[in-house]
Order: sequence, then C-alpha cells, then structure tokens
Amino acid sequence: QVQLVQSGAEVKKPGASVKVSCKASGYTFTSYGISWVRQAPGQGPEWMGWISAYNGETYYAQNLQGRVTMTTDTSTTTAYMELRSLRSDDTAVYYCARDFHGSSRFDPWGQGTLVTVSS
Amino acid sequence: QSALTQPASVSGSPGQSITISCTGTSSDVGAYNYVSWYQQHPGKAPKLMIYDVSNRPSGVSDRFSGSKSGNTASLTISGLQAEDEADYYCTSYTTSTTWVFGGGTKLTVL
Repeated sequence: QVQLVQSGAEVKKPGASVKVSCKASGYTFTSYGISWVRQAPGQGPEWMGWISAYNGETYYAQNLQGRVTMTTDTSTTTAYMELRSLRSDDTAVYYCARDFHGSSRFDPWGQGTLVTVSS
Repeated sequence: QSALTQPASVSGSPGQSITISCTGTSSDVGAYNYVSWYQQHPGKAPKLMIYDVSNRPSGVSDRFSGSKSGNTASLTISGLQAEDEADYYCTSYTTSTTWVFGGGTKLTVL
C-alpha cells in the first residue's frame, strides 16, 4: 500500500537546523510530488512547500524562503526537508504528503515528526 | 496569504447532516476548483476526504460531499456517525502558486 514514513522526533536549540526525512513506498516515486505541511500546537496546518520527485523543482512558502530546503533522493525514494535558523515558533509537527500535481490531493500523509525548538 | 475562514465548531446528532463552510477570496477559493478537505483525529495525521471541490477518494464514505459557490467552499456530512467527530480543515490553491489552509472546524457528534 502507499505509505510515507517519517523520521523521529527532534529537539533543537534556537538557531540550529533540522532535517526531516520521508520514505515513500507503494507507488512510483517520480510520478508525484511531495508537499511539506507543518502544524503548530493547537493550530491549523501551514503549507511549507512542494518538490517534484521527477525533476527536483521546488516551490516554497514566502515566509520560509531562505530558511527551508526540500530535496529528494530517487535511489532511496526519500524526500527531505531542512529548516535552518530555528526559532521557538517553528515548534510543530511536520508532515510530508504525496502531492498530485495538478490537483488538490495531498494523499496520503506521513505520520508526522514533532520538532521542538527550546533553549 | 491569510488563512481561509472556517467556523471554529459545529455539532450535530447522530443521523443528522451538517455543513462546514470555508471562505476565501477571489485569489484562492474563487480562483480555481482546487479545494480539498481533510479529517484529523487527535494525535493523528490528516486524512483526505474531498479533493478538487467535490471528488471523493476511493474508500471515503459517500456521506461526505463537497461543493463551492464563489469564494466559499462547503463540506457536508450526512447521516452523522460518532466516528465523524474530528477536526476538519479545508485547503485551496492560490494565485501565488501556494496552498492556504483554513483554521479548522471541530465537529462534535452529540
């Protein structure tokens, strides 16, 4: 079955970086994109950006430009999201989701990775 | 990009129907038929319920339906069941080539 499995929880200090992985299985990885979405405690989701697993093209949310980098490794069917210069308000659960480019389908989602930023 | 506007909470009794609204602007909901809805139970990842305004993925109950009029999209759940109690989020593509989510609606089944 189609599945996205993310890396485990992280605790980081302000100013540090975090890299979250998302291992895809059950489908042709390069035929879809991956979107990253985060959800702060008690808040609605926030779209962070998208990467094409076919050619690596990316789109990032404007408020994260310059701090976020999304990449893929087609040999291991894994997507990565790196966020730099972490602040306390980056504390959130980070999700990856298979993105049907040309549609509003984000399906399925990974199980989520809690990133806590605290001094 | 401001979040889409959803009611904070809605409730209904088993067997009843409820509708959750999702209001945006002519730059997002009103611009494209790229609106989707997600169900999220506590501590779980969101689950796709409706995509492209009114399409249901395989495996999602036909009690769930979606529609759109102008800058407002809606999710209707008919024949409410206890397991429908969850948070629901809408999302829309925008003219800035980004996605914007709603603030979420907590559905309580009385």
